Amino acid sequence: EVQLLESGGGLVHPGGSLTLSCAASGFTFSAYAMNWVRQAPGKGLEWVSTVQTPPNIFYADSVKGRFTISRDYSKSTVYLQMNSLRADDTALYYCTKDQGRGRGFHIWGRGTMVTVSS
Amino acid sequence: DIQMTQSPSSLSASVGDRVTITCRASQDISNYLAWYQQKPGKVPNLLIYTSSTLQSGVPSRFSGSGSGTDFTLTISSLQPEDVGTYYCQKYDSDPWTFGQGTKVEIK
Repeated sequence: EVQLLESGGGLVHPGGSLTLSCAASGFTFSAYAMNWVRQAPGKGLEWVSTVQTPPNIFYADSVKGRFTISRDYSKSTVYLQMNSLRADDTALYYCTKDQGRGRGFHIWGRGTMVTVSS
Repeated sequence: DIQMTQSPSSLSASVGDRVTITCRASQDISNYLAWYQQKPGKVPNLLIYTSSTLQSGVPSRFSGSGSGTDFTLTISSLQPEDVGTYYCQKYDSDPWTFGQGTKVEIK
């Protein structure tokens, strides 16, 4: 069974840092792009970042220069390092798996909550 | 960047009604459009990709159409379990922008 398990969320002060992890299982991790999507409380979905394979990397303008996505093939894990966090980064962060060949994000984790507050 | 605009923002319809949600891209995205359903308190679920291809396991009452800038998601006969928010997403190139969502309720 394909699974994505996020971890690393929590409460952080403005300006602080946090690193999210997404452990993947049940598929060939090296063959698919992975993504982070976030959802602020009561709001819609916002694409955050994508790491393709080979590792072309993309970021939303709202996080560019502050967030860094990476993947560890040996651990089948994708990371999102978040620096200079702001209140508007408060959201549930989902890890998603690309279905490949332009067929959308077909697997979503349950998400990990990040709260930025003083 | 290309903007994705959904309409309406919300709708209320009766069980059995035909429901249509529209998604408009500010520039041509060919058919690189997906639709997702998010039921209350749940994780989003992929319904349709490449504008009109039904994801495996999705009921056939869901269908998608369109290309270029104008796209439509149709529920042919609304069911109680279809309550939720629906999002379109472009994926022709980055950023992989979502629409703002359409909330569907039962009248």
